[in-house]
Amino acid sequence: SQQGEEDPQALSIQEGENATMNCSYKTSINNLQWYRQNSGRGLVHLILIRSNEREKHSGRLRVTLDTSKKSSSLLITASRAADTASYFCATDATGSARQLTFGSGTQLTVLP
Amino acid sequence: DAGVIQSPRHEVTEMGQEVTLRCKPISGHNSLFWYRQTMMRGLELLIYFNNNVPIDDSGMPEDRFSAKMPNASFSTLKIQPSEPRDSAVYFCASSVQGADTQYFGPGTRLTVL
Repeated sequence: SQQGEEDPQALSIQEGENATMNCSYKTSINNLQWYRQNSGRGLVHLILIRSNEREKHSGRLRVTLDTSKKSSSLLITASRAADTASYFCATDATGSARQLTFGSGTQLTVLP
Repeated sequence: DAGVIQSPRHEVTEMGQEVTLRCKPISGHNSLFWYRQTMMRGLELLIYFNNNVPIDDSGMPEDRFSAKMPNASFSTLKIQPSEPRDSAVYFCASSVQGADTQYFGPGTRLTVL
């Protein structure tokens, strides 16, 4: 079963708007990562947040982590058409020797 | 720099045939992961290797699936015999052992008729 579950499953916004995706997970984690997958391509790592961190920024990306609620959010600011892709959270559970468990993904469509 | 290389990119075969998927990890990476992606089950870890040794194959669905890593620069995932329900995109990923980030190949889209 999936460790992470993304919400919403699909999101459609206009270019320039912000996009927020959420991820919930079930077990204790070492870190949580977000990956992007363009159609027909492999996954690309975006950002990692460790279990002792609450917020992290990278360019237009902002990730938050609430370990008490076992949830994370990914915010993409000032979205662009090129941001259209599927976004997955992946958890590295404590003691799992770097095995990642991926969520079901959010399909983001940014309309020009 | 070359990323993770997978071949073939597309494979169409008939039920019962043997299928071999290939992966070349990024040079210097000593962890290698095989995943399967379907609409129904999402992205599932099948097996992973550290330093060419299989560490956890609990995700391998059946005995029809086998994976090998004869050296640090090559791995295969074999399905014998293949079945229509094996149709999926198979990804290989690699990382530096102990590192957090995995680097994915472009995937092999397998269709079993």
